[in-house]
Amino acid sequence: KAGVTQTPRYLIKTRGQQVTLSCSPISGHRSVSWYQQTPGQGLQFLFEYFSETQRNKGNFPGRFSGRQFSNSRSEMNVSTLELGDSALYLCASSLGPGRAYEQYFGPGTRLTVT
Amino acid sequence: SQQGEEDPQALSIQEGENATMNCSYKTSINNLQWYRQNSGRGLVHLILIRSNEREKHSGRLRVTLDTSKKSSSLLITASRAADTASYFCATGEGSSNTGKLIFGQGTTLQVKP
Repeated sequence: KAGVTQTPRYLIKTRGQQVTLSCSPISGHRSVSWYQQTPGQGLQFLFEYFSETQRNKGNFPGRFSGRQFSNSRSEMNVSTLELGDSALYLCASSLGPGRAYEQYFGPGTRLTVT
Repeated sequence: SQQGEEDPQALSIQEGENATMNCSYKTSINNLQWYRQNSGRGLVHLILIRSNEREKHSGRLRVTLDTSKKSSSLLITASRAADTASYFCATGEGSSNTGKLIFGQGTTLQVKP
């Protein structure tokens, strides 16, 4: 089976712009979670989607949003980018409720905001 | 906020030696997992231990869990240069239905050839 894929792998944006990151889960996995990793805050949970519905949300401002499509692919969007949004954004997929904690991570998207 | 702490923050050993890293957490858990991350890449799942288990082995990895002390340890035996990476423990929030993992700050392991 192919693993979790994330596109793009690297991205450079300017403050104030918006960005959309994409995640394709492992085939058969219906749950997708997103995490932000920075040197200062470490790995922090952003949100979790299952069956196109957001099930969990981390403590991030409303500029961070996401969605999941019927094929389980997910996107996250960050609007009005700030310098502090520079981070590695990781997506993870799992089978779904009951096995949601068994997560398989993608390689990440490295976002740099200048 | 982070669920717990990991120590040491950094560890440097020679190839062939054993490496032990520890993780503490704050709330009750259903399971605890360990992940490896190579140089800012994605996380690789290493091992999961359930709250009713005390010890688990996988190849050169040995994980222990002490729920009374809310702590876990990861032992890598006979380390190799390829084990150089950051290691994170993660716990699930609440029931097993949640996909929200809470990670420790990680231990950076350097294995010198």
